[in-house]
Amino acid sequence: AQTVTQSQPEMSVQEAETVTLSCTYDTSESDYYLFWYKQPPSRQMILVIRQEAYKQQNATENRFSVNFQKAAKSFSLKISDSQLGDAAMYFCAYRRSGGSNYKLTFGKGTLLTVNP
Amino acid sequence: DTGVSQDPRHKITKRGQNVTFRCDPISEHNRLYWYRQTLGQGPEFLTYFQNEAQLEKSRLLSDRFSAERPKGSFSTLEIQRTEQGDSAMYLCASSRRTGGSTDTQYFGPGTRLTVL
Repeated sequence: AQTVTQSQPEMSVQEAETVTLSCTYDTSESDYYLFWYKQPPSRQMILVIRQEAYKQQNATENRFSVNFQKAAKSFSLKISDSQLGDAAMYFCAYRRSGGSNYKLTFGKGTLLTVNP
Repeated sequence: DTGVSQDPRHKITKRGQNVTFRCDPISEHNRLYWYRQTLGQGPEFLTYFQNEAQLEKSRLLSDRFSAERPKGSFSTLEIQRTEQGDSAMYLCASSRRTGGSTDTQYFGPGTRLTVL
């Protein structure tokens, strides 16, 4: 079974600074997808960024980028120029590529605080 | 798209009562997922529908839980004889099968269940 581990229960960053959230996963599959979701307090979960395992190039979405290390099974999220609105719980998630069920397997999350 | 909606947003019930939650996916999304999120944890997969067919159920889904998706539109999740351990946030997500397999899941705001 696939597992996702987020070893940082909480992180904090100063506004305008850069922060990196860590995620490792375990799988025997060679093709899969990885995601970072953001869950603001009392608001619904939204997709931040996704990475296809077969792509060597790291995904980037504006201020958000990932460092995908397939051999190490590591998938970290870097947030540049942090803003107050980035404060949220961040979840790393895994999804297999094949089959018919595209369920997500989530880590326990990292609570990010942004200090003004 | 109006987004995934869930009703009710909050439900307080007494142990032993039955509860039913509703999820309305994004229109034309043929895949629908239910997840459960307890405090301090990431969401855990419960069950998955493709159109009206329930294709997979997690072992977390005991016999007291039942889900339906009549006509492949909205879905309901019913919990019979609720227990205090059922207290959690129940999340619904939907996605659309595309030519590729990225299958991004969009989440609803969740239904928070409290069993007294």
